[in-house]
Amino acid sequence: AQTVTQSQPEMSVQEAETVTLSCTYDTSESNYYLFWYKQPPSRQMILVIRQEAYKQQNATENRFSVNFQKAAKSFSLKISDSQLGDTAMYFCAFTSTGNQFYFGTGTSLTVIP
Amino acid sequence: GAGVSQSPSNKVTEKGKDVELRCDPISGHTALYWYRQSLGQGLEFLIYFQGNSAPDKSGLPSDRFSAERTGGSVSTLTIQRTQQEDSAVYLCASSVGPGVGYTFGSGTRLTVV
Repeated sequence: AQTVTQSQPEMSVQEAETVTLSCTYDTSESNYYLFWYKQPPSRQMILVIRQEAYKQQNATENRFSVNFQKAAKSFSLKISDSQLGDTAMYFCAFTSTGNQFYFGTGTSLTVIP
Repeated sequence: GAGVSQSPSNKVTEKGKDVELRCDPISGHTALYWYRQSLGQGLEFLIYFQGNSAPDKSGLPSDRFSAERTGGSVSTLTIQRTQQEDSAVYLCASSVGPGVGYTFGSGTRLTVV
């Protein structure tokens, strides 16, 4: 069975600082995809960043980057130069077949002005 | 359309009544998913449609839940004889493939009183 674990229910960071959100997963698949989604109070889930498991290079999207450790089954999200608009729930997600995505329980991030 | 559209945005219903939730995916997206998000929880997979294939209904919690997708486009999630534990946000997403990730709608908040 595939599982995704986010061990930090809540986090906070000062504006302009850097924060890292943790995610681990469990799978026996060799090829899969990993994602981070952001859910602000508006409820809209927004794709932040994606990583293909067969790629060793860590994905980067502007201020967002990941640290993908395939052997350790770890997929953390780093947010640099945090902004007030980054305040949201962040969900880590996994899929191998596309039939179903498995989501973690989320990390609530608050950016403090 | 430009995004995934869900209606209604909010629905309050009396226990025992039936409800229908609608999802209009992005044009050209062959895959459509329904998830349920209970307060403070992660996302619970409900059902997956891919093209003209038989849907994956493995996540539906009971036989009171059903979904259909007409013409490979609009989908309707129906909950019969609603119960208070059905209260949640119901999210719809569509995709062109597993590696791309989902595009989510803004969800329908269902409250059963």
